[in-house]
Amino acid sequence: AQKVTQAQTEISVVEKEDVTLDCVYETRDTTYYLFWYKQPPSGELVFLIRRNSFDEQNEISGRYSWNFQKSTSSFNFTITASQVVDSAVYFCALSEAGAGNMLTFGGGTRLMVKP
Amino acid sequence: ETGVTQTPRHLVMGMTNKKSLKCEQHLGHNAMYWYKQSAKKPLELMFVYNFKEQTENNSVPSRFSPECPNSSHLFLHLHTLQPEDSALYLCASSPELVVFPDTQYFGPGTRLTVL
Repeated sequence: AQKVTQAQTEISVVEKEDVTLDCVYETRDTTYYLFWYKQPPSGELVFLIRRNSFDEQNEISGRYSWNFQKSTSSFNFTITASQVVDSAVYFCALSEAGAGNMLTFGGGTRLMVKP
Repeated sequence: ETGVTQTPRHLVMGMTNKKSLKCEQHLGHNAMYWYKQSAKKPLELMFVYNFKEQTENNSVPSRFSPECPNSSHLFLHLHTLQPEDSALYLCASSPELVVFPDTQYFGPGTRLTVL
């Protein structure tokens, strides 16, 4: 069975600090995909990134970066120089190949960035 | 125009009412999903449609009845709900259900309160 754990339920930082959101997953499949979504107070889940299990290269997009490590089954997300607009709930999700596009979500991490 | 829209954004209903939630996607996708997001619980997949055919019913009570008349529209008909059904109901779409998971794009959700 697949499972996603986001151990940090809530994180509070001051603007301009760097912050890392942890995501640990469990799966028996060798082919799977990992996702991060952002949910601002408006409610909509905003897609941030999708990675497959064969691509362990870290990715950087502006202030966002992702560290995928199969050895520890982790897909962590770092925001550099955080801003107030980054305040949201962030979800990590897993989908196994052949699972009909079923997403298993973690419990989410609420990030609060204070000015 | 935003990719996935949902109406209404907020809904308050009594336990004997009948109401419907509407979702429309403008992305040319063929798969659509209903999710339930309750306080303090992970996002739960409810239903999946692919090319208007239901492919997944995640043990959802019959008081929730989905309808997918075409690939662009998805409805969730509600009747005789319980207070514990109060939640944010999110709709999502993706290109189609294939072996390798596609990214799902979410709407803003309908905040439902059952009195």
